[in-house]
Amino acid sequence: DQQVKQNSPSLSVQEGRISILNCDYTNSMFDYFLWYKKYPAEGPTFLISISSIKDKNEDGRFTVFLNKSAKHLSLHIVPSQPGDSAVYFCAAYGTDSWGKLQFGAGTQVVVTP
Amino acid sequence: DTAVSQTPKYLVTQMGNDKSIKCEQNLGHDTMYWYKQDSKKFLKIMFSYNNKELIINETVPNRFSPKSPDKAHLNLHINSLELGDSAVYFCASSTPRGSTDTQYFGPGTRLTVL
Repeated sequence: DQQVKQNSPSLSVQEGRISILNCDYTNSMFDYFLWYKKYPAEGPTFLISISSIKDKNEDGRFTVFLNKSAKHLSLHIVPSQPGDSAVYFCAAYGTDSWGKLQFGAGTQVVVTP
Repeated sequence: DTAVSQTPKYLVTQMGNDKSIKCEQNLGHDTMYWYKQDSKKFLKIMFSYNNKELIINETVPNRFSPKSPDKAHLNLHINSLELGDSAVYFCASSTPRGSTDTQYFGPGTRLTVL
């Protein structure tokens, strides 16, 4: 049973525009959420995270929004750049779970010139 | 200066063989993990060690045995390899368990069982 869901397997966006990636979760015990970026033949790279006590975290072009009541989070990339083309994984865990990350299936982002 | 490294990067072997994948981290982290990414691209945790002590052991066949000689290393040994073991295996490490337990991943080992 997938506790973290990314329902959009792919997203195509024009360079300079906003990319919005969505993630839903079912486990109310999750209290820490992360986004990872993955290029082919490489391991996932940590991008940005958010604790459940916040509803927004921003780091440069990347902003993560958390809506706990809806069990939904999103990643905004503004402006999108060609180097952002990668697979983005949403992940979550509860602080009583010894770091047992639950991953979504990933969203392939393609940024076109 | 690779933070989390794995060897080998590619591993092709026959069914029934025994193989090992090695992982090392130079981040000074106390906790290390093994994940499996299957053909459907889902990343699923297999094991986690904290200071050489096993703390997470998901429903993984007994043929898989992790070994942590010290807190900077976590190796994965697989006995009697099966076709279904073909996947990409990722090692990861993190700081002591806490509210900002960000995990850092290695480059992965692609295992192909023929």
